Amino acid sequence: IAGITQAPTSQILAAGRRMTLRCTQDMRHNAMYWYRQDLGLGLRLIHYSNTAGTTGKGEVPDGYSVSRANTDDFPLTLASAVPSQTSVYFCASSTDSGANVLTFGAGSRLTVL
Amino acid sequence: QKEVEQDPGPLSVPEGAIVSLNCTYSNSAFQYFMWYRQYSRKGPELLMYTYSSGNKEDGRFTAQVDKSSKYISLFIRDSQPSDSATYLCAMSKGGSYIPTFGRGTSLIVHP
Repeated sequence: IAGITQAPTSQILAAGRRMTLRCTQDMRHNAMYWYRQDLGLGLRLIHYSNTAGTTGKGEVPDGYSVSRANTDDFPLTLASAVPSQTSVYFCASSTDSGANVLTFGAGSRLTVL
Repeated sequence: QKEVEQDPGPLSVPEGAIVSLNCTYSNSAFQYFMWYRQYSRKGPELLMYTYSSGNKEDGRFTAQVDKSSKYISLFIRDSQPSDSATYLCAMSKGGSYIPTFGRGTSLIVHP
């Protein structure tokens, strides 16, 4: 089934630990995105990539890094997790043309203690 | 002021009611107007989108755009409990521009 796969679905980790959230798409979309969603704040863009080999900062990039080595994969890394990074993280992709409709993954629920 | 404003609700209605969900925006360059639906503990999924002004209908759902007022609406007719979800509006200049999302409105349709 075409779409976006995120892993892990849910994770609890201690503050200060390193964590990588994985995202893979099989739709050959050019653009990929990482959002965090918090109650009352909606979706906030963390980082994005318009094409393999390029990345850009979104609204809330601090404490996060990304890489885009190929078209399909777009991992998000928290180098040293802090409790304020407790959130639900969504990966998305799009064709980067027309309406630029985003297709979202099911989300990764992260709790930092 | 955020580029896109959306009342978070919750909006609670009885089954069968007509629901009106709305967003306002400030950027006149937006050309594409989208509505996403997000069920609890799921990712948002596209419901429908329109280009420029006018109406678009898809079954029980109608999207309406008024660019002169910078106001968009989503109407749900004969609402069902299965429509209970968070509805997010999103707007884009198109092409490679990243859509701007509203914060979402939580809708509860009770039997």
